[in-house]
Amino acid sequence: RKEVEQDPGPFNVPEGATVAFNCTYSNSASQSFFWYRQDCRKEPKLLMSVYSSGNEDGRFTAQLNRASQYISLLIRDSKLSDSATYLCVVNRAGGYQKVTFGIGTKLQVIP
Amino acid sequence: NAGVTQTPKFQVLKTGQSMTLQCAQDMNHNSMYWYRQDPGMGLRLIYYSASEGTTDKGEVPNGYNVSRLNKREFSLRLESAAPSQTSVYFCASSAGGSGNYGYTFGSGTRLTVV
Repeated sequence: RKEVEQDPGPFNVPEGATVAFNCTYSNSASQSFFWYRQDCRKEPKLLMSVYSSGNEDGRFTAQLNRASQYISLLIRDSKLSDSATYLCVVNRAGGYQKVTFGIGTKLQVIP
Repeated sequence: NAGVTQTPKFQVLKTGQSMTLQCAQDMNHNSMYWYRQDPGMGLRLIYYSASEGTTDKGEVPNGYNVSRLNKREFSLRLESAAPSQTSVYFCASSAGGSGNYGYTFGSGTRLTVV
């Protein structure tokens, strides 16, 4: 089983829709979690950290489910500009080599 | 604010040629990283530098060397390029280490080895 797994998509959703992505991780010792956004042929950019209690930033909500070992990203009222690939990042305790990037989930918001 | 600056943006090499990818950050970050990104795979760590004066291997270090020239600059060298090194390379930096802080990435270098 891969350390971090994401559905590569693409997820094609109409403008205004709500869409959610999950990312599962295999190591229960994982301690910090992030979502990054990567536009086509661009660098990844930090979207938000994922806190145990869940956190929200505008239309974006991130949640952590430690029991089932997954994190989620919910996007409400999707905009055309949300079209991108969303990478989940999981950090196991123990140093720099323990940060694992998922392959990303591609989102295409359709007019 | 420049953030993380990488050069060059594009490069084509012949097998066996060498090159150095340059990276500089102006955020006073301690930690710097080199990643490669290949289709269908997550970003993979090549080398990292926890602080000025230290470097360590990541997941895929073979065929690469690095130099942490000072706190700002971290370069990646390919001594004898191979087609398997065709990839997109990203430099990144973070305020602290161990992955507990978010990374700031450079804009990437698209390298093709023929």
